[in-house]
Amino acid sequence: SQTIHQWPATLVQPVGSPLSLECTVEGTSNPNLYWYRQAAGRGLQLLFYSVGIGQISSEVPQNLSASRPQDRQFILSSKKLLLSDSGFYLCAWSGSTSGSDGTDTQYFGPGTRLTVL
Amino acid sequence: ILNVEQSPQSLHVQEGDSTNFTCSFPSSNFYALHWYRWETAKSPEALFVMTLNGDEKKKGRISATLNTKEGYSYLYIKGSQPEDSATYLCAWWGQGGKLIFGQGTELSVKP
Repeated sequence: SQTIHQWPATLVQPVGSPLSLECTVEGTSNPNLYWYRQAAGRGLQLLFYSVGIGQISSEVPQNLSASRPQDRQFILSSKKLLLSDSGFYLCAWSGSTSGSDGTDTQYFGPGTRLTVL
Repeated sequence: ILNVEQSPQSLHVQEGDSTNFTCSFPSSNFYALHWYRWETAKSPEALFVMTLNGDEKKKGRISATLNTKEGYSYLYIKGSQPEDSATYLCAWWGQGGKLIFGQGTELSVKP
């Protein structure tokens, strides 16, 4: 069966510090991978998605970046955190068999709560 | 701006009550509508994926309907139980090729 891991679970970082959140998926090959953020009082917002190694699409201009160095590894980074980067970050994966018809279920990891002080 | 709206934002019911809430989405360029349940300290869990106008899906005491022409979906819970307490998210997949989530409806079921 497939599982998705995220770490760390919680993180408190000062403004201006770097960030690295990691997500790994087990039990599947060539998944589509996603990073979402939920800011306080808001819905899940897609930040990045990836359909393959080294292929990253950015949805929202910001000081965050993503990388996919391996098939089942997705990393969210920042060189300098802002207060507005605080939130709950979720990684998700989906199969890539149905193309872009929107029917692939996305499976979410446990999330990372980031507080920037 | 493509908005997905859910109402109400929160709901408090007694055990045994039946309840329902709404997801509104753009009616044009519709591909699919997803419902997720997100319990505290857990990951969002997929409930339904719906694609056809008039579609109805059911999973135990939870069911959902879809109206793509007017752009809404209802989620129903029959005989709510405390373990149904969670935030229920809907997400719309349109021509943009990504899921756009609503803010969720937070359901609290009291014993």
